[in-house]
Amino acid sequence: NAGVTQTPKFQVLKTGQSMTLQCAQDMNHNSMYWYRQDPGMGLRLIYYSASEGTTDKGEVPNGYNVSRLNKREFSLRLESAAPSQTSVYFCASSDSTSGGDEQFFGPGTRLTVL
Amino acid sequence: GEDVEQSLFLSVREGDSSVINCTYTDSSSTYLYWYKQEPGAGLQLLTYIFSNMDMKQDQRLTVLLNKKDKHLSLRIADTQTGDSAIYFCATGAAGNKLTFGGGTRVLVKP
Repeated sequence: NAGVTQTPKFQVLKTGQSMTLQCAQDMNHNSMYWYRQDPGMGLRLIYYSASEGTTDKGEVPNGYNVSRLNKREFSLRLESAAPSQTSVYFCASSDSTSGGDEQFFGPGTRLTVL
Repeated sequence: GEDVEQSLFLSVREGDSSVINCTYTDSSSTYLYWYKQEPGAGLQLLTYIFSNMDMKQDQRLTVLLNKKDKHLSLRIADTQTGDSAIYFCATGAAGNKLTFGGGTRVLVKP
């Protein structure tokens, strides 16, 4: 099993450009999450999807949109990138029926917005 | 909203014990987690404790929970250079989203 995969690994955008970050999991998990990680601030939840067909805002949703394409895939879109969105983005998945509700993380996408 | 606080940095000598502390505000948290992040990688779950437990031991790791004071700690016995990483405390309830602390960077000196 590959676990949680993310593409791309690195991306540089100019202000105003758009892009989509892709995430896929092969663990048959119901829930998927998008976080951003900034120095000294830990991970902050952008959006999450508790199950296929549903999405909800997290702590910092402004400037982002998401799509839960199917049970495996959860994408994050930046419509008009801003320098404040420079960050490392992590996708995660979990099976809320399991004890401890462990979230499994992808390797991250490092995004720089100039 | 929920707040989770950790100290920023911990330096420890190889072979000593490390203790990483965390405080949180949400008393309804069901699970409390410790994640490890190595450079350039995602987060990996180290261990978790259910809120009705006081202590959990897993090989070199010991988690202590003081629910009254909303204080969580992670002790790593016989710390090794491979333990150098950022450690995140997180709180949550089953099926719900997690709230992470800012992370504690642990540096193990030989």
